[in-house]
Amino acid sequence: DVKVTQSSRYLVKRTGEKVFLECVQDMDHENMFWYRQDPGLGLRLIYFSYDVKMKEKGDIPEGYSVSREKKERFSLILESASTNQTSMYLCASSLMQALGFYEQYFGPGTRLTVT
Amino acid sequence: AQSVTQLGSHVSVSEGALVLLRCNYSSSVPPYLFWYVQYPNQGLQLLLKYTTGATLVKGINGFEAEFKKSETSFHLTKPSAHMSDAAEYFCAVSLNTNAGKSTFGDGTTLTVKP
Repeated sequence: DVKVTQSSRYLVKRTGEKVFLECVQDMDHENMFWYRQDPGLGLRLIYFSYDVKMKEKGDIPEGYSVSREKKERFSLILESASTNQTSMYLCASSLMQALGFYEQYFGPGTRLTVT
Repeated sequence: AQSVTQLGSHVSVSEGALVLLRCNYSSSVPPYLFWYVQYPNQGLQLLLKYTTGATLVKGINGFEAEFKKSETSFHLTKPSAHMSDAAEYFCAVSLNTNAGKSTFGDGTTLTVKP
């Protein structure tokens, strides 16, 4: 079974803090994704990585950065947390698109509260 | 570019009744289509997918969906709802030109009444 793990299920941080969210997958997937999920807004893509050290901005990258130093690990960084970044953060991974398209496998999510 | 519209943010059915969750998509090239389910306090998991071939696809837990190109739809159905089906459901679309990214709908919360 593919497993995607996220470092914390719940996190509470203060405004202005630097926040690291970690994601690890164990299936040698090339692609990794960070989404935020808010009620009524579905999933919005923050950043996408298709290889080690490669990244691409998603729909809402402002206020976030990412790091992928190893294939299995993809980190989301909030440089200076703000209250409007209070949300559920979901990490996902998938095989690189080749002859077909491969579904995404999701972690359990991190519910971040910024106070 | 692609987009997904899920009609109805909340759907309520009685146990044993038909479940119908609607999804319409927009894309300029043939799409790949997915339904995911999210149970409370969990991540999303794949229910079923359409890539090519048979337009009626079967998934886990008795769900199925039919790709209708003429209607640009990919509605999710289940003949008889079970209490354990209560969850949030997401439709997603991807194109073979967008390097593995998917666009998700806003989600539909399914409530099952006893």
